[in-house]
Amino acid sequence: DGGITQSPKYLFRKEGQNVTLSCEQNLNHDAMYWYRQDPGQGLRLIYYSQIVNDFQKGDIAEGYSVSREKKESFPLTVTSAQKNPTAFYLCASSISWQGAAKQFFGPGTRLTVL
Amino acid sequence: QKEVEQDPGPLSVPEGAIVSLNCTYSNSAFQYFMWYRQYSRKGPELLMYTYSSGNKEDGRFTAQVDKSSKYISLFIRDSQPSDSATYLCAMSEEYGGSQGNLIFGKGTKLSVKP
Repeated sequence: DGGITQSPKYLFRKEGQNVTLSCEQNLNHDAMYWYRQDPGQGLRLIYYSQIVNDFQKGDIAEGYSVSREKKESFPLTVTSAQKNPTAFYLCASSISWQGAAKQFFGPGTRLTVL
Repeated sequence: QKEVEQDPGPLSVPEGAIVSLNCTYSNSAFQYFMWYRQYSRKGPELLMYTYSSGNKEDGRFTAQVDKSSKYISLFIRDSQPSDSATYLCAMSEEYGGSQGNLIFGKGTKLSVKP
């Protein structure tokens, strides 16, 4: 089965901790994306990667970091610098980075700060 | 300005009704228009994908794009309780790079009552 997996499904973090969210895809897609979804806010782009070993900041990158060492993996670290990290985090991928590309989403990780 | 407007609802209809969901936008450079369906606590699922103006039909779903009015619509015929979800519109420009990233509406929550 081809698709995008995210883990864990639920994640709880204490104040001041860094946490890493996993995103893996076996679709052989070049581009991968991280979004944050808050109630009433829609999806906002955190980081995106057009190709392995490259990534770019999205609209709300502050307090987040990513890496893209392998084509199939794009982990997101939520650092202690992120002021309001409680949200639903969605990973997506597309076959290429061009505007025509269809993006497919994973099931999401719900992060809660205690 | 990359702004997409979408009425958040909620929208409640009886089973079998025709549903009309809409988005307006301000960026005339948008060329690709998508509709995603998102069930509660799940990742968005690509429902419809259209290029430029015109109509596209897929089963009970019809997507319409009117670029002259900067207005897109999704129609659902013979709506079913299983259509109850949040519907997100998304759009992007022609070319790659940051301009090719998707811009999302905030989503319309639809409830179809048996």
